Amino acid sequence: GESVGLHLPTLSVQEGDNSIINCAYSNSASDYFIWYKQESGKGPQFIIDIRSNMDKRQGQRVTVLLNKTVKHLSLQIAATQPGDSAVYFCAEGTGRRALTFGSGTRLQVQP
Amino acid sequence: NAGVMQNPRHLVRRRGQEARLRCSPMKGHSHVYWYRQLPEEGLKFMVYLQKENIIDESGMPKERFSAEFPKEGPSILRIQQVVRGDSAAYFCASSPVPGQAEAQYFGPGTRLLVL
Repeated sequence: GESVGLHLPTLSVQEGDNSIINCAYSNSASDYFIWYKQESGKGPQFIIDIRSNMDKRQGQRVTVLLNKTVKHLSLQIAATQPGDSAVYFCAEGTGRRALTFGSGTRLQVQP
Repeated sequence: NAGVMQNPRHLVRRRGQEARLRCSPMKGHSHVYWYRQLPEEGLKFMVYLQKENIIDESGMPKERFSAEFPKEGPSILRIQQVVRGDSAAYFCASSPVPGQAEAQYFGPGTRLLVL
């Protein structure tokens, strides 16, 4: 279900450590999944996407893992930096339909 | 290479007034999506438009809200007779060809405050 009016879950990590942000999605028919980063006062910024026929995709310092069996998506950020501090949203999409966003996780990087 | 443009960035309205939010998609993008975001929450889909067509408005409230994307000019989200509950950040995203894992590119948003 959806969380309404609840504080975002927060992940606090030390600079240089790896971060793992998790997301459970609901639609087993989704074609693709996207991770977005949103800094305060800004719009969501694309990080990485993955097709439903894949289980892993790597980018620069980021890796997305997809487990369709349990409908779970994760974002791994290597060597986390202070500039990575933001709210991270997963989103799922099907065909031409609009994206369905998860509720978000706040990442705080301690120097 | 300008990204998605939205204006105004901040909009203050009194209850009962009208709010007009504008979105200019990225060059070459003909698909526009509007989303609403309340504090500490994810984005919620409102409406999906192509040029001169509303494709999906299943997320749009039935009353007071309307959207258009004319042949020329920006997409406009219009909220009539605003109420305090309309206070939120409204984001526009554009896409060249959705459904091919093309990420929707988001604008900076318009933050609407209803007094």
